Amino acid sequence: DQQVKQNSPSLSVQEGRISILNCDYTNSMFDYFLWYKKYPAEGPTFLISISSIKDKNEDGRFTVFLNKSAKHLSLHIVPSQPGDSAVYFCAASAWRDDKIIFGKGTRLHILP
Amino acid sequence: EAGVVQSPRYKIIEKKQPVAFWCNPISGHNTLYWYRQNLGQGPELLIRYENEEAVDDSQLPKDRFSAERLKGVDSTLKIQPAELGDSAVYLCASSPNAGELFFGEGSRLTVL
Repeated sequence: DQQVKQNSPSLSVQEGRISILNCDYTNSMFDYFLWYKKYPAEGPTFLISISSIKDKNEDGRFTVFLNKSAKHLSLHIVPSQPGDSAVYFCAASAWRDDKIIFGKGTRLHILP
Repeated sequence: EAGVVQSPRYKIIEKKQPVAFWCNPISGHNTLYWYRQNLGQGPELLIRYENEEAVDDSQLPKDRFSAERLKGVDSTLKIQPAELGDSAVYLCASSPNAGELFFGEGSRLTVL
């Protein structure tokens, strides 16, 4: 039973436009959420996180939105750049020091 | 600052053979994780260490997998004997505190 779901295996977006990656979770105990980015043959790298006490966190071109009632979060990248082409993993934990559960990932392609 | 170092990067073995992976975390990071990532999936936690203590090994298949983190610094993950289904990328990560994980590049295992 997947607790963190990324239902879109892949997404293609034109360079310069907004990329929106979605993530749903089932465990209402989750209160800390992270996004990781992964290039081929490399380990995942941390991108941005959000605590359940917030509904938005912004870092440069990256913004994460959290809708607790819908158990849904999304990552917005604007404007999208070629270097953003990668696999993006959504992850969550029940407490900040508990184990982190990952989704299956969404492969983002930025088109020239 | 050096990142998480893993070796070997790639390993091909025949089934029933043993294999070992090594990880050196970022200096000062007390928490160390081993994750397994199957093709098309997100990372799945195998074991988590706080210093030299395994605090969560509930997902580690203990009949064939073992891990150790002597002296609370570097760690090894062993599989003996390996099975076809063990083919995956084995990721090591470390953390200075709760939340953000820093991953190594991973060790890709192919079992023939």
